[in-house]
Amino acid sequence: AQSVTQPDIHITVSEGASLELRCNYSYGATPYLFWYVQSPGQGLQLLLKYFSGDTLVQGIKGFEAEFKRSQSSFNLRKPSVHWSDAAEYFCAVGARSGRTDKLIFGTGTRLQVFP
Amino acid sequence: EAGVAQSPRYKIIEKRQSVAFWCNPISGHATLYWYQQILGQGPKLLIQFQNNGVVDDSQLPKDRFSAERLKGVDSTLKIQPAKLEDSAVYLCASSADTGQAFFGQGTRLTVV
Repeated sequence: AQSVTQPDIHITVSEGASLELRCNYSYGATPYLFWYVQSPGQGLQLLLKYFSGDTLVQGIKGFEAEFKRSQSSFNLRKPSVHWSDAAEYFCAVGARSGRTDKLIFGTGTRLQVFP
Repeated sequence: EAGVAQSPRYKIIEKRQSVAFWCNPISGHATLYWYQQILGQGPKLLIQFQNNGVVDDSQLPKDRFSAERLKGVDSTLKIQPAKLEDSAVYLCASSADTGQAFFGQGTRLTVV
């Protein structure tokens, strides 16, 4: 069965510092991979997605993620964090079944940004 | 393009009462999901519809939870009777045949 692990529950960085959020997945085939961000009281907003092709994907708000099949990882990165990036980040794996996808989420990483 | 609409945004009920949540997906999206997100956890899939048929309801507590999507558009999720542990945010999402899900803002349920 597919699963997603986000090892870091809480990360604190200074504004302007670089960021890397870890995500490891378990899935028998090539997965669809997603990163979502959730601000307090809000729904989930898609940051970026990987379906196939280039393993380095660019997303919104200056985020990028790299798919590494050998490590079953899809880590999220940002070279310089802004205070507005403070939020909860969720990695998800999509398993295609017929014409639909089942999305499985990790437990999330809470990002705190200090000025 | 209008997003996924959910109502109500907040609901407080006593245990053993019933509650219903409503979701209107993005127009044309065949797949609709209901997720439960308990505080401090990631969203957990409760039920997934493809048009008006159920694709996956393996994690839906069927003794108290029910969901329907009769015309393949709007959906309702019901809890009856509610328990304290049902306190969570209930997220609705929809997707077209692209694999990307779009989420509503959720309904925060508090059971007291």
